[in-house]
Amino acid sequence: EVQLVESGGGLIQPGGSLRLSCAASGFTVSSNYMSWVRQAPGKGLEWVSVIYSGGSTYYADSVKGRFTISRDNSKNTLYLQMNSLRAEDTAVYYCARGKYSSSWYFDYWGQGTLVTVSS
Amino acid sequence: SYELTQPPSVSVSPGQTASITCSGDKLGDKYACWYQQKPGQSPVVVIYEDNKRPSGIPERFSGSNSGNTATLTISGTQAMDEADYYCQAWDSSTASFGTGTKVTVL
Repeated sequence: EVQLVESGGGLIQPGGSLRLSCAASGFTVSSNYMSWVRQAPGKGLEWVSVIYSGGSTYYADSVKGRFTISRDNSKNTLYLQMNSLRAEDTAVYYCARGKYSSSWYFDYWGQGTLVTVSS
Repeated sequence: SYELTQPPSVSVSPGQTASITCSGDKLGDKYACWYQQKPGQSPVVVIYEDNKRPSGIPERFSGSNSGNTATLTISGTQAMDEADYYCQAWDSSTASFGTGTKVTVL
């Protein structure tokens, strides 16, 4: 059974750093295309970043240069390193697995972890 | 970034048809997918590749995509379909989600 479990969220001051983790089971993270998607309180979904199986990474303009997506193959875990955090980064962060069928879509999502950026 | 626009809300009576649009520049040249999100839950894909349903998604969910508009149609809407719906597409290795539509079953 495919499962994604995020952790690492919490309250952090503006300008601070946080690393989110997404532990996967039932499949191999390094063989798949993985993304982070966030949702600010009461708002819509916003795509954040993707890492392809080959290691290529892409970011939304809103986080480029501040966030880094990575994975640890030995732990089968996806990460999101978030630096220079701002109040507008406050959101529930989901990790999601991409599946390909003529185009990519997200077939499994974690339960999310809440990041609150506030002084 | 690639913008996708949806109506904020759609109301439908039980058993009737709900249609949710998603507009984006030349969206018909890309593949669109749709996610359903109920309060306090993670999103679930209901349509991918414009009109395909994942296993376990009821037949009442269907999709189309042409020109600048993708459409999610819920036929014979049930109370359990009340949720937020988001379209999504890829453009130059980055993903974009629509603004979201709240479907209310009256």
